[in-house]
Amino acid sequence: GDSVTQMEGPVTLSEEAFLTINCTYTATGYPSLFWYVQYPGEGLQLLLKATKADDKGSNKGFEATYRKETTSFHLEKGSVQVSDSAVYFCALREIQGAQKLVFGQGTRLTINP
Amino acid sequence: GAGVSQSPSNKVTEKGKDVELRCDPISGHTALYWYRQRLGQGLEFLIYFQGNSAPDKSGLPSDRFSAERTGESVSTLTIQRTQQEDSAVYLCASSLDRYYEQYFGPGTRLTVT
Repeated sequence: GDSVTQMEGPVTLSEEAFLTINCTYTATGYPSLFWYVQYPGEGLQLLLKATKADDKGSNKGFEATYRKETTSFHLEKGSVQVSDSAVYFCALREIQGAQKLVFGQGTRLTINP
Repeated sequence: GAGVSQSPSNKVTEKGKDVELRCDPISGHTALYWYRQRLGQGLEFLIYFQGNSAPDKSGLPSDRFSAERTGESVSTLTIQRTQQEDSAVYLCASSLDRYYEQYFGPGTRLTVT
């Protein structure tokens, strides 16, 4: 079945550092791809998405590009802030049936001031 | 408008007891999903409801797990004879239908002692 492999954490960075969290996927066809974020004590929120190859999703300074050739959807941000500390999940939505979300295992990000 | 709500927010139960978890989807959302998030892991799909169609139960881990939904309203997830490995956060999500964005509730944290 479809699967998502995500960079293992935890990741600790200093404020204003550059962030990359790697995500690769295995899927039938060309699924939509997502990054979700879970801030401490809060529910899961959609951060950004891309629905087809070469699409770039962006939100709150974060970006990710749908790379069909490398089956990747890496999350990047040029200058992280303390408020970006959270758990980040990469996910795909299956193209058949229930179109359920398939998630990576999550990456805990901590930003130090 | 109101988002997805879940109750209880926390549940501690003894091994062998039955538990019932509740999800109130966003009004008008025909699709409803249950996921499970074990500690330090990504979300696993459990079950999907779409309107009055037969549910997709392919993610339920054992016959101790069952779920119901009447039409487009509330859903309940029941776990019978709970085991320690059932300890997890159970998340519910709803969407307009399966092709649209899924909105997540805050989850129910289940602890089996």
